[in-house]
Amino acid sequence: AQSVTQPDIHITVSEGASLELRCNYSYGATPYLFWYVQSPGQGLQLLLKYFSGDTLVQGIKGFEAEFKRSQSSFNLRKPSVHWSDAAEYFCAVGFISNFGNEKLTFGTGTRLTIIP
Amino acid sequence: DSGVTQTPKHLITATGQRVTLRCSPRSGDLSVYWYQQSLDQGLQFLIQYYNGEERAKGNILERFSAQQFPDLHSELNLSSLELGDSALYFCASSPGQVNSPLHFGNGTRLTVT
Repeated sequence: AQSVTQPDIHITVSEGASLELRCNYSYGATPYLFWYVQSPGQGLQLLLKYFSGDTLVQGIKGFEAEFKRSQSSFNLRKPSVHWSDAAEYFCAVGFISNFGNEKLTFGTGTRLTIIP
Repeated sequence: DSGVTQTPKHLITATGQRVTLRCSPRSGDLSVYWYQQSLDQGLQFLIQYYNGEERAKGNILERFSAQQFPDLHSELNLSSLELGDSALYFCASSPGQVNSPLHFGNGTRLTVT
């Protein structure tokens, strides 16, 4: 069955440090991949998306993600985090289900804490 | 602003009651999704509608139902409410293709007492 895994429940980094959030998926074909961010009390906001082409995609707020087919991964990165990046981050995968309909599955999220 | 409007923002009700959550999708989006977010379950997909018809169903309880109206707005009805139904309920919309990102509303926080 198709699935999305975010292995890190909680990550703490210092302001100005680099960041990498992991996302792995299980799917037989190339899925559509998304990263969303949720600030406290807010809905989810799209950071970036990958459909095809260049495997390194740029998003908003200085984030980027790299699709690695061999590792079934779509990790999110940022070279230097800001205190305002503290939030919950969700990886999501879109694919055609066994029943022929589109499905979007979210990972369980990674909570990012920034320390001064 | 995502363009997706959810009302009300907060809802407090008692066990056994019934509530209706409303969602207006982004202009032009045909697909509406409902998600439940709780501390212990994370973000759970409930149901999807596309242009008025049910497209996909997730972990939605029989006590819950939804519909999408001809003007494309959607309602999620929760009945016989239990304490465990307390959660954030999100609506999202998209044009409807699998490669279309979802745009989320700010959610309705439901508290069942």
